[in-house]
Amino acid sequence: DVKVTQSSRYLVKRTGEKVFLECVQDMDHENMFWYRQDPGLGLRLIYFSYDVKMKEKGDIPEGYSVSREKKERFSLILESASTNQTSMYLCASSPGTAETDTQYFGPGTRLTVL
Amino acid sequence: GQNIDQPTEMTATEGAIVQINCTYQTSGFNGLFWYQQHAGEAPTFLSYNVLDGLEEKGRFSSFLSRSKGYSYLLLKELQMKDSASYLCAVIDSNYQLIWGAGTKLIIKP
Repeated sequence: DVKVTQSSRYLVKRTGEKVFLECVQDMDHENMFWYRQDPGLGLRLIYFSYDVKMKEKGDIPEGYSVSREKKERFSLILESASTNQTSMYLCASSPGTAETDTQYFGPGTRLTVL
Repeated sequence: GQNIDQPTEMTATEGAIVQINCTYQTSGFNGLFWYQQHAGEAPTFLSYNVLDGLEEKGRFSSFLSRSKGYSYLLLKELQMKDSASYLCAVIDSNYQLIWGAGTKLIIKP
């Protein structure tokens, strides 16, 4: 079974703080993704990565950055958290064998910015 | 623009059948996914359709009509554990995944 883990299930931070969300997958997947999920909206892609040290902007990258130093780990960074970044953050990975690969998701981190 | 439409919420009775519809307008089409997401949990893969027709997988079936830009997820013999949100997602011509907002399914005894 594919396992995608995220460092925290719940996180509370203050405005202006730097926030790190970590994601690790154990199936040697090439591709990794960060989404945010808000009520009434579909999943929105923040950043993705097709290889180590490689990153691509998704639909809503503003206010976020990412890091992929190792194949299994993909980090999402909020340089200066703001209240509008309060959301559920979901990490996903996919094998990278085909462009129609299924994505496998982690349990999510519910971030609240006060 | 690209758009995926699903009903926001549906209610059904335990033991019954429910059909959750998804219509899409996207730039190209390379497949459609259905995911299940229980409250507070990760989305989990249910099905993938790329050709027209019905794919059956136990109590769950997924149907696709590419000419109509339409899919549905059919759940039979509903159980209380089927209470969840069901997410429809389409792969567009750039192989980007476009997500619907999800349909919250409430099962009543």
